[in-house]
Amino acid sequence: EPEVTQTPSHQVTQMGQEVILRCVPISNHLYFYWYRQILGQKVEFLVSFYNNEISEKSEIFDDQFSVERPDGSNFTLKIRSTKLEDSAMYFCASSRTGPNSPLHFGNGTRLTVT
Amino acid sequence: AQTVTQSQPEMSVQEAETVTLSCTYDTSESNYYLFWYKQPPSRQMILVIRQEAYKQQNATENRFSVNFQKAAKSFSLKISDSQLGDTAMYFCAFMKPRNRDDKIIFGKGTRLHILP
Repeated sequence: EPEVTQTPSHQVTQMGQEVILRCVPISNHLYFYWYRQILGQKVEFLVSFYNNEISEKSEIFDDQFSVERPDGSNFTLKIRSTKLEDSAMYFCASSRTGPNSPLHFGNGTRLTVT
Repeated sequence: AQTVTQSQPEMSVQEAETVTLSCTYDTSESNYYLFWYKQPPSRQMILVIRQEAYKQQNATENRFSVNFQKAAKSFSLKISDSQLGDTAMYFCAFMKPRNRDDKIIFGKGTRLHILP
């Protein structure tokens, strides 16, 4: 069964550095999402992306964050100047037709900012 | 704004027992989707079950079933014949089915331990 794949599984970076988290959604899916989960806390929506543009973003998704679909297969989340509080699990998800179809999640990238 | 509340932070049951995880939500919408997601120690998010609010029949997937009470805004998950592999965090989630508001809102989760 097709899967959403995320790389790397674990990323360690120093405060102030830029990181790019990569995701390959399921190939015939059209809607893409990033969620994050700070350790032990709830899963929070960051951003949704459709037709090469952001369709919705949360208040967490400030100017520090950006998303891109550079080549038709990858979907990336860039964090420009990481802060300690950005340490979390970041989940990519995709769906075939948007809100009416189930989300398929990747295994997540654990980001540790030191 | 929609909210999702899971009032049980943690639960433990013996293997083979039946366990019910509770979830309530608040919305003014009449049509929406509700989900239960499982997050095992591997941290992956796995869809367990999905319910469409306009369907009166409770969704069922093998040992997992829901008790959907729309008027009470309640959406509990029942796990029958629980197994050790059911040990995980379980998140209840809500979604409005509109293209311009397609985010999922998660509850804080219930940590479920299945004891041998």
